[in-house]
Amino acid sequence: KNEVEQSPQNLTAQEGEFITINCSYSVGISALHWLQQHPGGGIVSLFMLSSGKKKHGRLIATINIQEKHSSLHITASHPRDSAVYICAALNEKLTFGTGTRLTIIP
Amino acid sequence: KAGVTQTPRYLIKTRGQQVTLSCSPISGHRSVSWYQQTPGQGLQFLFEYFSETQRNKGNFPGRFSGRQFSNSRSEMNVSTLELGDSALYLCASSLGTSTYEQYFGPGTRLTVT
Repeated sequence: KNEVEQSPQNLTAQEGEFITINCSYSVGISALHWLQQHPGGGIVSLFMLSSGKKKHGRLIATINIQEKHSSLHITASHPRDSAVYICAALNEKLTFGTGTRLTIIP
Repeated sequence: KAGVTQTPRYLIKTRGQQVTLSCSPISGHRSVSWYQQTPGQGLQFLFEYFSETQRNKGNFPGRFSGRQFSNSRSEMNVSTLELGDSALYLCASSLGTSTYEQYFGPGTRLTVT
């Protein structure tokens, strides 16, 4: 069993839909990262959080430390949100989930 | 501020050769981490350097090594290349250790034939 599990692996939605990507981890962590990777490989750090909730534009990330679970939400999704979203648990080093490939159809 | 830069961006090597990849962090960042991304294994942590010292190392064989210079630039070296080393190698820099937000470079795509 991977230390960091993401679901779903693939997600296709219509433009405007509310998107939720889930991440569960089995190790103790000091923080959890959400990353976005576009085709071509470039990775952008979206959030780093250790408790509660963070919001940036249409993106919201939440974490429940007791349940070892985090979610990434995208409101009013847009085709430009199409990318792979990766969560990564930080405990001395980053351990990555396998990623969620999100496709938003116009 | 310029972002994290990695050179070269693409590289083709043959089995048994060695390769050196370079990473220049964002100005003022003292920590550089390296990651390997493959279709089969996903993203995996290689090592982290802070102020020229290796702070942490992932589960990779000794053929993978790295170093950091006094200007925070970092290099990683892979010796005796194997086909399985074909991957996207990413570096990320941060102000402090990996507990700080990390900024990723564009990666070096290494193909071993």
